[in-house]
Amino acid sequence: DQQVKQNSPSLSVQEGRISILNCDYTNSMFDYFLWYKKYPAEGPTFLISISSIKDKNEDGRFTVFLNKSAKHLSLHIVPSQPGDSAVYFCAASAFGALNSGYALNFGKGTSLLVTP
Amino acid sequence: KAGVTQTPRYLIKTRGQQVTLSCSPISGHRSVSWYQQTPGQGLQFLFEYFSETQRNKGNFPGRFSGRQFSNSRSEMNVSTLELGDSALYLCASSLGIGGGSTDTQYFGPGTRLTVL
Repeated sequence: DQQVKQNSPSLSVQEGRISILNCDYTNSMFDYFLWYKKYPAEGPTFLISISSIKDKNEDGRFTVFLNKSAKHLSLHIVPSQPGDSAVYFCAASAFGALNSGYALNFGKGTSLLVTP
Repeated sequence: KAGVTQTPRYLIKTRGQQVTLSCSPISGHRSVSWYQQTPGQGLQFLFEYFSETQRNKGNFPGRFSGRQFSNSRSEMNVSTLELGDSALYLCASSLGIGGGSTDTQYFGPGTRLTVL
């Protein structure tokens, strides 16, 4: 069963505008959420994360918002740049809640295309 | 600081053979996790090792196994290869001490396994 879902397989945004990537999860035990960026034939690159005790985390052009009641998180990229074009994966873990070690649960990814 | 390294980067095997993949974590990281990426299933957690012990395991058959050495390097083994085992195998390392923002998983470039 897919516990982390990214319902938009692709997104196209103009350079300079905001990109919003969405992610929903079903497991209320998840306590840590991450976004990774991935290029073909490479491993995922960590972008930004958020703990379940927060509702927002910013790092430069990237902001992640967490709405625990809706079990929803989003990644905002402002302003979007052509170099941001990649596949973005949302991931969640329940390390603290289950104390059972790491097991990142990934969504299937959203392919972002930023056009000049 | 050097990143996560994986060897080999590419591998071609035939059905029924076995394969061993290697992962060297970031220096100081004691947790190593393995993931399988396929076009249909996305990124799926295989298992995690911490201090030479398997701490968590995903939903994969017993043909998939792993181990971790005292220097935190890890290997995963797949026996009796099937066509469906063709995938990108990713290794990720982290401190493994408790999850959260100080313990993000960082990925290697992956090993592309093709089973003919």
